[in-house]
Amino acid sequence: DAEITQSPRHKITETGRQVTLACHQTWNHNNMFWYRQDLGHGLRLIHYSYGVQDTNKGEVSDGYSVSRSNTEDLPLTLESAASSQTSVYFCASSDLGLAGVNEQFFGPGTRLTVL
Amino acid sequence: AQTVTQSQPEMSVQEAETVTLSCTYDTSESDYYLFWYKQPPSRQMILVIRQEAYKQQNATENRFSVNFQKAAKSFSLKISDSQLGDAAMYFCAYRSAGGATNKLIFGTGTLLAVQP
Repeated sequence: DAEITQSPRHKITETGRQVTLACHQTWNHNNMFWYRQDLGHGLRLIHYSYGVQDTNKGEVSDGYSVSRSNTEDLPLTLESAASSQTSVYFCASSDLGLAGVNEQFFGPGTRLTVL
Repeated sequence: AQTVTQSQPEMSVQEAETVTLSCTYDTSESDYYLFWYKQPPSRQMILVIRQEAYKQQNATENRFSVNFQKAAKSFSLKISDSQLGDAAMYFCAYRSAGGATNKLIFGTGTLLAVQP
């Protein structure tokens, strides 16, 4: 069965370290998204990609970067982790189609703690 | 820019009763999609129900139904015959229908407790 996975599921790091969160989907979806979830804010979009070599900034992109070298993966990098980036991170994917609902499928989330 | 507002941070319902979760949104677009997602303690985001703005008929999925009021920009979720497994955080979300934009805009969520 197709799925979307994230690793690690839990991560503790120190301020200033570089951290990369992995996202892998086997849906063969063109669209991939990274969100962060914080109490009182819901889910907010960090970065997104509509295909290989395409990346776009979302609502809260400062301090984060992504790269898309293939269809299946969209790793999220925190260049220099800050305590404000302690959060739960969700990856999602959806089909490209210009019409239709194009439901987003979500990964299980990664809980990141920055000390 | 579009916004989604969920004004009820927490709700509680007795098992087998009916509960309605509120959601309002702001947009200048005429064509869009609206969603309700459920997030149980496992953190997995589960799509509960969706509504296309061009459809006047309210969407229904088993015990879940919506009251979509386009003019009022309101999209409430009704859960009938509530079950213990319905206890979760519920998020309302908006998505533009135009172009290739697939971004979701989420509300802040409503935490639903189900009392036995």
